[in-house]
Amino acid sequence: DAGVIQSPRHEVTEMGQEVTLRCKPISGHNSLFWYRQTMMRGLELLIYFNNNVPIDDSGMPEDRFSAKMPNASFSTLKIQPSEPRDSAVYFCASSLNQGPNGELFFGEGSRLTVL
Amino acid sequence: GENVEQHPSTLSVQEGDSAVIKCTYSDSASNYFPWYKQELGKRPQLIIDIRSNVGEKKDQRIAVTLNKTAKHFSLHITETQPEDSAVYFCAASLAGTASKLTFGTGTRLQVTL
Repeated sequence: DAGVIQSPRHEVTEMGQEVTLRCKPISGHNSLFWYRQTMMRGLELLIYFNNNVPIDDSGMPEDRFSAKMPNASFSTLKIQPSEPRDSAVYFCASSLNQGPNGELFFGEGSRLTVL
Repeated sequence: GENVEQHPSTLSVQEGDSAVIKCTYSDSASNYFPWYKQELGKRPQLIIDIRSNVGEKKDQRIAVTLNKTAKHFSLHITETQPEDSAVYFCAASLAGTASKLTFGTGTRLQVTL
């Protein structure tokens, strides 16, 4: 398996523009997570899905952020409109939540810069 | 919800010395405690984990200890090497469910020659 695949790896955009980040989880995994990483706040969980259903979106900063998982092999995180404070590395991760093994497999991350 | 605190935020050791990173958690129901290592510019990767039915686990130069009564757990790295330099994150969750993993704020470990 190629692991969790994220795109784009880098995105530079201007304030006010829409940003869409994409994620393909590991085949067979039934949970998907979106994390945001900054120097100041570390790794923050934004939202997670289980069997394509959003379970907890309490970490989504505000209404400008939205996430979807239309099927088991694809998820998007959208920011509209983007602001400079959204600049961060966004990680997608997936896991197989069966039994005691809760290992998260992270993608390479999408580095977002909002000017 | 779960709250995980991690100390220290930065740690510098000489090659060959030991490094210890400590974490505390708030939710007594948590029973799964993994540690992730993130090298510069890379993704976090699991290096070791421990469940609440054991107090200690070791894997070569890495060991984790868990004190459920005090709600704290630690990562111990012995005989440190330059390739151990990275950011280490502890985390806590309820294993075997769709519960989210709550991460600590990370410890930047620098192993100097």
